[in-house]
Amino acid sequence: RKEVEQDPGPFNVPEGATVAFNCTYSNSASQSFFWYRQDCRKEPKLLMSVYSSGNEDGRFTAQLNRASQYISLLIRDSKLSDSATYLCVVKDSWGKLQFGAGTQVVVTP
Amino acid sequence: EAQVTQNPRYLITVTGKKLTVTCSQNMNHEYMSWYRQDPGLGLRQIYYSMNVEVTDKGDVPEGYKVSRKEKRNFPLILESPSPNQTSLYFCASSLRAQGPGTEAFFGQGTRLTVV
Repeated sequence: RKEVEQDPGPFNVPEGATVAFNCTYSNSASQSFFWYRQDCRKEPKLLMSVYSSGNEDGRFTAQLNRASQYISLLIRDSKLSDSATYLCVVKDSWGKLQFGAGTQVVVTP
Repeated sequence: EAQVTQNPRYLITVTGKKLTVTCSQNMNHEYMSWYRQDPGLGLRQIYYSMNVEVTDKGDVPEGYKVSRKEKRNFPLILESPSPNQTSLYFCASSLRAQGPGTEAFFGQGTRLTVV
């Protein structure tokens, strides 16, 4: 079983719509959580950290559910430029990052 | 500009010919690591380093070596590359392994093909 699992998608989203997707993690001792964005095999870039109380950054909202061991990302008012692969990243107590395989989002005009 | 720099960006080599991929960061980060990314598998950690002269194996260390003689540099060495090491490689650094500042910054990637 993978440490971090994501629906690979693609999620095809009309421009302006809302899209949400989750990732699940298996290590209950995980300490930190992040969403990264990766464009077409370029380097991953930090989108946002995920805090226990949930957090927003503009059109992006992240939630953490420790009891069920999942993280979610919601994108409101989708833009064409939001098309990318979103990587769920979990850090364990040793500082090791575990990556999901990514969820592909395609925003269409 | 704060960055992680990898070289080369693209490399085609033959089986058995030793190669080194360099990684350098200018942010005075303690923690550095190497990942490979293969379709459908996500990024998998090859080796990591908590600080100068401190390195350890990640999930897929076979066939790779690293060194951390200086804080800024963390080269990845393939002593005898094989075709199954064809992959996209990323170097990453973070301020520290634990606590605030643990988000990772990635180099631009090295696309390696071993024929």
